[in-house]
Amino acid sequence: EADIYQTPRYLVIGTGKKITLECSQTMGHDKMYWYQQDPGMELHLIHYSYGVNSTEKGDLSSESTVSRIRTEHFPLTLESARPSHTSQYLCASRLGPETQYFGPGTRLLVL
Amino acid sequence: GDSVTQMEGPVTLSEEAFLTINCTYTATGYPSLFWYVQYPGEGLQLLLKATKADDKGSNKGFEATYRKETTSFHLEKGSVQVSDSAVYFCAFTGFQKLVFGTGTRLLVSP
Repeated sequence: EADIYQTPRYLVIGTGKKITLECSQTMGHDKMYWYQQDPGMELHLIHYSYGVNSTEKGDLSSESTVSRIRTEHFPLTLESARPSHTSQYLCASRLGPETQYFGPGTRLLVL
Repeated sequence: GDSVTQMEGPVTLSEEAFLTINCTYTATGYPSLFWYVQYPGEGLQLLLKATKADDKGSNKGFEATYRKETTSFHLEKGSVQVSDSAVYFCAFTGFQKLVFGTGTRLLVSP
């Protein structure tokens, strides 16, 4: 059983609000990832981290930002939410080249 | 560049039918290969994996064999159940991150 958590699970928010999606894991994994998932299912990597104080942009350009101050924590922030940010956001982690584990996801709706 | 090609869905089957979901990959080196499953409203879960050529991964009646010569990792199950309805993703270890296919939706009817 993977110990990776995301909060909130669902969020409905108005345009222009600042939001932070939380992701934490208790497995001591060095690598962490954020994906945005279309309604059509495809996964898009938007951010990743190799360890504390390391963050990289992913394959899909995103207006969100991330931080990695602690190994177990990898929050994603949107400074000003827009309807185009409506999506499902999945967090994942893994140790080195080992299996990658996913959190349950956050469904975001921006009105 | 690195990529995964999965058969498009949805794949619609009756209960107890045989399932094949095709997956081929383009990668440098000898990556590890994975199948993940996503049930409605949830994140992705590892279904099975194989780490070297000719390895067979298996779990919950699903199987896939790492075929280096054809760069394939097709998912099979002999008899599907309604509870297998989900989205299935093929993936491999690229440089520092997993490379995913676009997903194949499976719908199993009673």
